[in-house]
Amino acid sequence: DTEVTQTPKHLVMGMTNKKSLKCEQHMGHRAMYWYKQKAKKPPELMFVYSYEKLSINESVPSRFSPECPNSSLLNLHLHALQPEDSALYLCASSPDRIHTQYFGPGTRLTVL
Amino acid sequence: GNSVTQMEGPVTLSEEAFLTINCTYTATGYPSLFWYVQYPGEGLQLLLKATKADDKGSNKGFEATYRKETTSFHLEKGSVQVSDSAVYFCALSEDPGAGSYQLTFGKGTKLSVIP
Repeated sequence: DTEVTQTPKHLVMGMTNKKSLKCEQHMGHRAMYWYKQKAKKPPELMFVYSYEKLSINESVPSRFSPECPNSSLLNLHLHALQPEDSALYLCASSPDRIHTQYFGPGTRLTVL
Repeated sequence: GNSVTQMEGPVTLSEEAFLTINCTYTATGYPSLFWYVQYPGEGLQLLLKATKADDKGSNKGFEATYRKETTSFHLEKGSVQVSDSAVYFCALSEDPGAGSYQLTFGKGTKLSVIP
């Protein structure tokens, strides 16, 4: 089983709202990732967690705040977003940082 | 730095046609190579992978061979179906020296298969 789940599937939010995206995997993977994908572009890496510790932050604005409460769960907290933040947000996981990444279905975010 | 170049799309084929999507890469060491597929409105799915030279990855009728001498990982399928219509991403994974293997993606190739 190589399933990564993400909720919600779609999210519409205003620029003053606070919302969270959730990602879950039960494969025992110890690395988890957040990517942002704009239309007709490849995914761009935002954050990497390894063994529940943030190991990479690709210069992402502070209005995006990741959290890894346990080894199966990864959250992305959103606050004061801009319309240009509208995109597909993808979560991925891998057994550790050197192995194949498996992606979730994504959350389609629209910021009004 | 690492980079992946894949053929520009879109590619439009008739059902049962032969598919080739070219992918070449630049890397400093010995990367692992991947093809991911993204169906409309969905996330990325791993299609196949190869971790060393001359390895052939295969899945669902798709194949790609890791060619170190030509730094290529071309995707092929002998007979495409309408259900293969999607965007295909070639990617590599290599440790840039910081102990973290990150994926480097190509720009993606959109395939449309018509009946």
